[in-house]
This record gives sequence, C-alpha cells and structure tokens, in this order.
Amino acid sequence: GAGVSQTPSNKVTEKGKYVELRCDPISGHTALYWYRQSLGQGPEFLIYFQGTGAADDSGLPNDRFFAVRPEGSVSTLKIQRTERGDSAVYLCASSLMASGGETQYFGPGTRLLVL
Amino acid sequence: QKEVEQDPGPLSVPEGAIVSLNCTYSNSAFQYFMWYRQYSRKGPELLMYTYSSGNKEDGRFTAQVDKSSKYISLFIRDSQPSDSATYLCATSSSGSARQLTFGSGTQLTVLP
Repeated sequence: GAGVSQTPSNKVTEKGKYVELRCDPISGHTALYWYRQSLGQGPEFLIYFQGTGAADDSGLPNDRFFAVRPEGSVSTLKIQRTERGDSAVYLCASSLMASGGETQYFGPGTRLLVL
Repeated sequence: QKEVEQDPGPLSVPEGAIVSLNCTYSNSAFQYFMWYRQYSRKGPELLMYTYSSGNKEDGRFTAQVDKSSKYISLFIRDSQPSDSATYLCATSSSGSARQLTFGSGTQLTVLP
C-alpha cells in the first residue's frame, strides 16, 4: 500500500519568507509526527498529533513554527519568517495509534533550504 | 549531553564482514528500542524493533539491548554493498511522551 508522502520534496526560499510543508500519512493511521533532521544528525522531534489535535508540541523550537491537521489525516507544517538555521530535512511519520512503542513509518522528507 | 549517543563513524568494511553498531542512552524510562536504516536522500526505514532487554534476530540482523548498562547494539552478518546506509538507533518510553529519540546515526559503507 501507499506509504507516507510529503510535498514538496525540495523547497528553496529566502530568509523571512513563509513556507508550508505537507504530509499525507498512511491511510487509517491516527497518529502523525513531525521531525527535523539536520545534516549529519538524527531526526529531532517537533510535534505529534493524535487525530486532529496536537497532543505534544514540546519540540517546536519557537512560535514561528506551527502545524495543523484539521481533518485528522493530512497535516501541514507552517514556518513563518524563515531563518537560515531552519534549513534541514523535515520528516513526517505516522503510526496506527499513539501508544508506547507503536511503529512509526517515515516519509521521504522535504528538504528545506533558506537562502 | 544527548539522551542517545551514537558513534557517527563513518565505518567502512569489506563485503562479508560482520558489522557492529552501538548506542548508549541515559534515560531509564526508555523501554522500546529500534534501529532504522536511512539511504541517502530517503526517509528512515524501520529495520529492527526490541522491547526491553534481550536479543532479536531477523535474517542477517541481530539487535541487542542491555538495559542494565543502557547499551543498544545492532550486528549485521555477511554484510553486503546494499547495506551501505546510515543506521540510526532510536528509543521511546512507555510514558506519555510518544516521540522517538534518535542517535546521530552511523554511516556505513560496505565495499565490494
């Protein structure tokens, strides 16, 4: 079946601009996670959704970052006033439910470059 | 100090070698332990999953967890060039936090 998909695959923007990154989880998965992966590092947690609500947003670095999942399926990560330090690969993952140890399936990521 | 420490390598071995990859962690609440494989410009792919201490074997891959020393290992037998990738260890707790905590990844190259 279809896995997690993310669009765009690459995004180049200028400092100060607004960007939206989209994630389409595996059908039927109720939990959705966003991670950020910098070069040479492992993914770092940003936020996760159980259904439509953000259950834990403790990983968002500051208030320029925001994510929504209005219908409990597709999610959008929004970054305002982008900074060069936001350049990274943004990964989305989904799992059947948000319980301890539930397997998370990752998408290919969106490579964001802020010039 | 990061919660999960992993030697970044890079590690280069000849085809057929046994590969040992390791991580240490500091949070005693971690109960679930995973190894993900990540090919260049791709998302992480789950390779092995272990709950609590013990060993798990799947084909050429063996995962070991020693909770007493907070040590996680992945062994790859008869390594193949197609195993060349970055290997990420990851953990999660059984508490309210659902996110995975990753090591920084070890880049492995298996030379034909």
